[in-house]
Amino acid sequence: DAGITQSPRHKVTETGTPVTLRCHQTENHRYMYWYRQDPGHGLRLIHYSYGVKDTDKGEVSDGYSVSRSKTEDFLLTLESATSSQTSVYFCAISESQGRGTAYGYTFGSGTRLTVV
Amino acid sequence: KQEVTQIPAALSVPEGENLVLNCSFTDSAIYNLQWFRQDPGKGLTSLLLIQSSQREQTSGRLNASLDKSSGRSTLYIAASQPGDSATYLCAVTQDNDMRFGAGTRLTVKP
Repeated sequence: DAGITQSPRHKVTETGTPVTLRCHQTENHRYMYWYRQDPGHGLRLIHYSYGVKDTDKGEVSDGYSVSRSKTEDFLLTLESATSSQTSVYFCAISESQGRGTAYGYTFGSGTRLTVV
Repeated sequence: KQEVTQIPAALSVPEGENLVLNCSFTDSAIYNLQWFRQDPGKGLTSLLLIQSSQREQTSGRLNASLDKSSGRSTLYIAASQPGDSATYLCAVTQDNDMRFGAGTRLTVKP
């Protein structure tokens, strides 16, 4: 989707090294999310942000941290990568939340991360 | 904890057939339900969004229904085509979380 880009698209890293994934949006949406997708588990929420400097944990947040210093950028950091963090990572954005919202989520193309 | 289940896990049909994909969820207190399509190695493409107050949404050959009280949604695909082959995911939103089913992998044979 043109309004949301993830970088890098692919990365191979060694166990114990720090890794940062970037999500950039041009839609000026308030909410941003990081998910991971694994066979047998589907997509699971890691962290999300509801504004600049406002973030919260999701279902599988252990081993991950996030930062959002600008509306358009949401960074996901693996402080010390482990093999269990090998996965495909997706960023998503949404304009609003809450009951009755007409807005769904828009997803980026994903980052395939391999930890060796 | 919200759990989302999709049945069947995989489906293979001949071209031209009408088909139904099923999604069920355990907690009916949802804000909305969204159907996505995912092609191999690609991201998710939104197909339809149904708000909690709505019963169905249509887009071209796709029709999605929502029965919140019973915790069910169906995605109906009319006159299927080989280009419809993909994995279809349903997801429900509540609070600040979207919970996904594991998906149905659809193959439409020419």
